[in-house]
Amino acid sequence: RKEVEQDPGPFNVPEGATVAFNCTYSNSASQSFFWYRQDCRKEPKLLMSVYSSGNEDGRFTAQLNRASQYISLLIRDSKLSDSATYLCVVKYNTDKLIFGTGTRLQVFP
Amino acid sequence: DVKVTQSSRYLVKRTGEKVFLECVQDMDHENMFWYRQDPGLGLRLIYFSYDVKMKEKGDIPEGYSVSREKKERFSLILESASTNQTSMYLCASQRFSGAGELFFGEGSRLTVL
Repeated sequence: RKEVEQDPGPFNVPEGATVAFNCTYSNSASQSFFWYRQDCRKEPKLLMSVYSSGNEDGRFTAQLNRASQYISLLIRDSKLSDSATYLCVVKYNTDKLIFGTGTRLQVFP
Repeated sequence: DVKVTQSSRYLVKRTGEKVFLECVQDMDHENMFWYRQDPGLGLRLIYFSYDVKMKEKGDIPEGYSVSREKKERFSLILESASTNQTSMYLCASQRFSGAGELFFGEGSRLTVL
């Protein structure tokens, strides 16, 4: 079983739609959680950290469920520019970050 | 802004050649990392370094070595390139241990023939 699992997608949604991605992790000792965004042929960049109580950044909401060992990312009012691959990242008590394989989102007009 | 620069965007090498991938960061970050990214496998950690002259193996160190002689520079070395090392290589830096965020370079696409 992979340490971090994501649905690869693609998720094809129209502009203005709400879309949600889930990510599951296998190690209950995981300490920190992140979502990164990777545009086509570009490097990954931090989108947002995920906090236990859930957190929001504009149209993006991240949630953590430690009991079920998953994190989620909700994107409201999708824009064409949101088209990218979203990487779920989990950190243990070292500085090793474990990356999921990513979920591809395609927003169409 | 943090700048992580990888020396070559695209390289083509032959089996058995020695390959150097260079990475430089300009923000005095403590930690540096080398990943490779392959379709369906995601990013996998090859080596990382917390300090000058220090290195730690990641998840897939076989066939690779690294060098960190200066704080800002972290080099990945393929002693004898093989076709299964064809991949996208991503260097990253991190401000300090526990900081969380990684800053990536644009990547080096290596093809081994």
